[in-house]
Amino acid sequence: EAGVAQSPRYKIIEKRQSVAFWCNPISGHATLYWYQQILGQGPKLLIQFQNNGVVDDSQLPKDRFSAERLKGVDSTLKIQPAKLEDSAVYLCASSSRHLTSGGGETQYFGPGTRLLVL
Amino acid sequence: GNSVTQMEGPVTLSEEAFLTINCTYTATGYPSLFWYVQYPGEGLQLLLKATKADDKGSNKGFEATYRKETTSFHLEKGSVQVSDSAVYFCALRGNSGGYQKVTFGIGTKLQVIP
Repeated sequence: EAGVAQSPRYKIIEKRQSVAFWCNPISGHATLYWYQQILGQGPKLLIQFQNNGVVDDSQLPKDRFSAERLKGVDSTLKIQPAKLEDSAVYLCASSSRHLTSGGGETQYFGPGTRLLVL
Repeated sequence: GNSVTQMEGPVTLSEEAFLTINCTYTATGYPSLFWYVQYPGEGLQLLLKATKADDKGSNKGFEATYRKETTSFHLEKGSVQVSDSAVYFCALRGNSGGYQKVTFGIGTKLQVIP
């Protein structure tokens, strides 16, 4: 089974520029997550999709961040314009269980995209 | 809201030493608990999980027991190896606003020296 794919792996941009990240979840996984992991901290959920609908985007800075999941498969996360504090690793994860199911749903993570804003 | 508190690292141990990484949580209801591991340059991988009180998760010699009375899920390994050097994240999956949400701790870096 192929894992979660992300691209690019690394990106360096200047502040006020735009950047986009791409994620391809595991085939058949209904739930997709984007996390931001700042150096020395745990992952922070930015947005959670169930199929192509947004379940939770309460921690997404909507003035500059946007995400979409067309057709309930691939997803893109965009930052426009970027700030210095956006430097982080952006992790995509997917899981198969429906969001209303309890229990030990396992998230599968991609390798992440490391963003450096100068 | 839900939260996870982990001991801060880094933790440095000699090979074959005993490992404990403490994790406590705050959550409503009955969350599921996880330990994830992140090796250098890689994404997070699920190490083990427990879905109800008194469950013990185990994998690769690591163990953690879901203790509801102390709201803890401490990670242990009897004899660590150099290859265990990584960052370990405790996480919970619990109800937040009517749906399941995952909350991570800050991570504990483990360095095992030969």
